[in-house]
Amino acid sequence: KAGVTQTPRYLIKTRGQQVTLSCSPISGHRSVSWYQQTPGQGLQFLFEYFSETQRNKGNFPGRFSGRQFSNSRSEMNVSTLELGDSALYLCASSAMTGNTEAFFGQGTRLTVV
Amino acid sequence: DQQVKQNSPSLSVQEGRISILNCDYTNSMFDYFLWYKKYPAEGPTFLISISSIKDKNEDGRFTVFLNKSAKHLSLHIVPSQPGDSAVYFCAASDGGSEKLVFGKGTKLTVNP
Repeated sequence: KAGVTQTPRYLIKTRGQQVTLSCSPISGHRSVSWYQQTPGQGLQFLFEYFSETQRNKGNFPGRFSGRQFSNSRSEMNVSTLELGDSALYLCASSAMTGNTEAFFGQGTRLTVV
Repeated sequence: DQQVKQNSPSLSVQEGRISILNCDYTNSMFDYFLWYKKYPAEGPTFLISISSIKDKNEDGRFTVFLNKSAKHLSLHIVPSQPGDSAVYFCAASDGGSEKLVFGKGTKLTVNP
């Protein structure tokens, strides 16, 4: 069974640009969550999607958005990039929502210059 | 306010001995707990989880203990192997959601 796939693995963007990251969950999984990892803040929850609906949102500005498609694949978008958005962005896939194991992808390393 | 705390940034043990990683939480609504292992620039790898209705869960060399009254959980690795060297994260959720709240991690080094 294939794991969680995130693309691209690495990305360099300029301040002010926007970026779209993609996540394909484990086959059959319907919940996709996104996290940001930085050295200072650790792993922080961005949002969760289940059956194309956003179920939960973390404490991030509106520049961070996401969506989920009918095949459970998900994208997250960051607009007007800031230097502080440089981070490892991780996608997690779960079979259901609530009290189930979440399996992570390899992440996308975003560098904003 | 850090709701999940891993107070030891690092831990060093000898190969073959027990590794004990600790985690404390403050939110009494948390009812599901997970441990992940992570290498730099990679995603976390799921190790083991425990529901608040249990106080112990075992999977091979990994055992997680939950003390609800103390709001404390621990991960025991026996015996420890050099390949276990990584950063270990404790995470918690409050049910009905996949939102995980993570601790800052403990770097485990297992010396041969």
